[in-house]
Amino acid sequence: KAGVTQTPRYLIKTRGQQVTLSCSPISGHRSVSWYQQTPGQGLQFLFEYFSETQRNKGNFPGRFSGRQFSNSRSEMNVSTLELGDSALYLCASSLGAQLDYGYTFGSGTRLTVV
Amino acid sequence: AQTVTQSQPEMSVQEAETVTLSCTYDTSESDYYLFWYKQPPSRQMILVIRQEAYKQQNATENRFSVNFQKAAKSFSLKISDSQLGDAAMYFCAYSSNDMRFGAGTRLTVKP
Repeated sequence: KAGVTQTPRYLIKTRGQQVTLSCSPISGHRSVSWYQQTPGQGLQFLFEYFSETQRNKGNFPGRFSGRQFSNSRSEMNVSTLELGDSALYLCASSLGAQLDYGYTFGSGTRLTVV
Repeated sequence: AQTVTQSQPEMSVQEAETVTLSCTYDTSESDYYLFWYKQPPSRQMILVIRQEAYKQQNATENRFSVNFQKAAKSFSLKISDSQLGDAAMYFCAYSSNDMRFGAGTRLTVKP
């Protein structure tokens, strides 16, 4: 059974550009969540999607957005990139809306903004 | 809002010894779940152990066990017979409507 797949693994962008990250959850998982991980702030929750609907949203500016498709694959987009957006972006999937069994994480996308 | 606190930024243990990582959390809810995740240098977060708040019995997974004190809102992880492969960042997490993580504890295992 394939795990959570995130693409690309590494990305270098210039300040002001926009970027789209992709996440394919484990087959059958309907919930996808995104986290930003930085050395200074740790793991911060971005948003969660369940059955194509955003169920929860963290405290990030509107430049951060996401969506989920009917096959549960998810994308997150960051517009007008800032240097502070450099981070490891982790995607995690779970079977249902309840997180009682926790997440399965992908290996992340390392975004560097220069 | 729920918060998760890991007060030990770094811990070190001798191979084959036992180490305990601390975690406290703050919540007003009665039904929730707690987790410990491990993040090795490969970056992928791996679930180590989970605990259901309504269960008083402490969870155990092989060499990993927890000490769950609901009234004290404490959830520590004990690693027995530490191995070199246990070296990683360990994150405590609280889950209700979403999942919140602590800042992490970096565990070093000395041979």
